[in-house]
Amino acid sequence: GQQVMQIPQYQHVQEGEDFTTYCNSSTTLSNIQWYKQRPGGHPVFLIQLVKSGEVKKQKRLTFQFGEAKKNSSLHITATQTTDVGTYFCAGISGGSNYKLTFGKGTLLTVNP
Amino acid sequence: EAGVAQSPRYKIIEKRQSVAFWCNPISGHATLYWYQQILGQGPKLLIQFQNNGVVDDSQLPKDRFSAERLKGVDSTLKIQPAKLEDSAVYLCASSSLFGEQYFGPGTRLTVT
Repeated sequence: GQQVMQIPQYQHVQEGEDFTTYCNSSTTLSNIQWYKQRPGGHPVFLIQLVKSGEVKKQKRLTFQFGEAKKNSSLHITATQTTDVGTYFCAGISGGSNYKLTFGKGTLLTVNP
Repeated sequence: EAGVAQSPRYKIIEKRQSVAFWCNPISGHATLYWYQQILGQGPKLLIQFQNNGVVDDSQLPKDRFSAERLKGVDSTLKIQPAKLEDSAVYLCASSSLFGEQYFGPGTRLTVT
């Protein structure tokens, strides 16, 4: 079945440093979504990428979808303590009835 | 707009007991999902409903787990009998036909 892998599993940064998490799928994706889960909270949708090579920005967050639609990345510029949480990518394969397969996530901690 | 409602928020049971979780999705969302999230991992899809029909239940342990979505609105997920390895957070999510998933606060289940 489809597998989605994320690295790194953990990342600790000083406030103001940049952060990147990478996502790789075993199969070609029709689209990919990113979610953020704060400690003790539930996943909250951040963005959806659909097109090959797509790049989207949300303030300090930059999301990319690979040309082959099998990988994606999330980059945060100048992290803040409010960025703390686990970032999940979730992929949808074509014809899968919009079934999301989540990666294991990257836990980001930020030292003030 | 009201979010996805779940109850109870916490449940502690002994192994071999039964338990049920309830979910009320966002009004108008045709698709409803139940996920199991074990600590340190991403959400794993258990079952996906489109209105009141099952779209995907390939990862649902059908010997002990069951779910229904009567009238295409709320849903219940039942475990009978529970095992120690069922300790997890059970998340309900809903979405419109194509798009982001909105998650409820989850039910934290502890099986002792």
